[in-house]
Amino acid sequence: DTGVSQDPRHKITKRGQNVTFRCDPISEHNRLYWYRQTLGQGPEFLTYFQNEAQLEKSRLLSDRFSAERPKGSFSTLEIQRTEQGDSAMYLCASSQGPRNSPLHFGNGTRLTVT
Amino acid sequence: GQQVMQIPQYQHVQEGEDFTTYCNSSTTLSNIQWYKQRPGGHPVFLIQLVKSGEVKKQKRLTFQFGEAKKNSSLHITATQTTDVGTYFCAGPNDYKLSFGAGTTVTVRA
Repeated sequence: DTGVSQDPRHKITKRGQNVTFRCDPISEHNRLYWYRQTLGQGPEFLTYFQNEAQLEKSRLLSDRFSAERPKGSFSTLEIQRTEQGDSAMYLCASSQGPRNSPLHFGNGTRLTVT
Repeated sequence: GQQVMQIPQYQHVQEGEDFTTYCNSSTTLSNIQWYKQRPGGHPVFLIQLVKSGEVKKQKRLTFQFGEAKKNSSLHITATQTTDVGTYFCAGPNDYKLSFGAGTTVTVRA
């Protein structure tokens, strides 16, 4: 069990640019989540995959955000035309077993939009 | 939609003292989970409570799930510097977990 891996750890980009983050979940975990966290707040749900199927997406999520999990293993989160308000820590988590089983979080990707 | 609220937002504790942090949900929960996030780290799962009135202990940490399954508490006895961090409760909401804003704990030595 090598844990959930996220890449990159930090990303600084200029407003208007596109960015893509990668998450490698724990190998046997079929559930994968993306969350966003800003200072002083708890993780905010973005989207959820069960294997390769995207089963839930936050209604608050702008259409500039898209996520994929093409083979049910790693996942990518892309933000197009970044805005300063997108600056946050983007956390990936995975789990196995029944729905709402405990989550294993990665170290996150910290995005700064200048 | 479901909301999970935590109080207090900040807890400043003298080393050796006890404290309690509380979590309240706007809806009845099938279970509740607690996570701890150290400064600069990521949330780490601590415990899951499922049954009404359930109490679980982990060393100096005592977790309780309310009888109505709408609230929970975390009590820490004899606080140590290793307890520093933010404690989040989270409740299931469809496929996802909804997290509270957390209680950030600092310890005075």
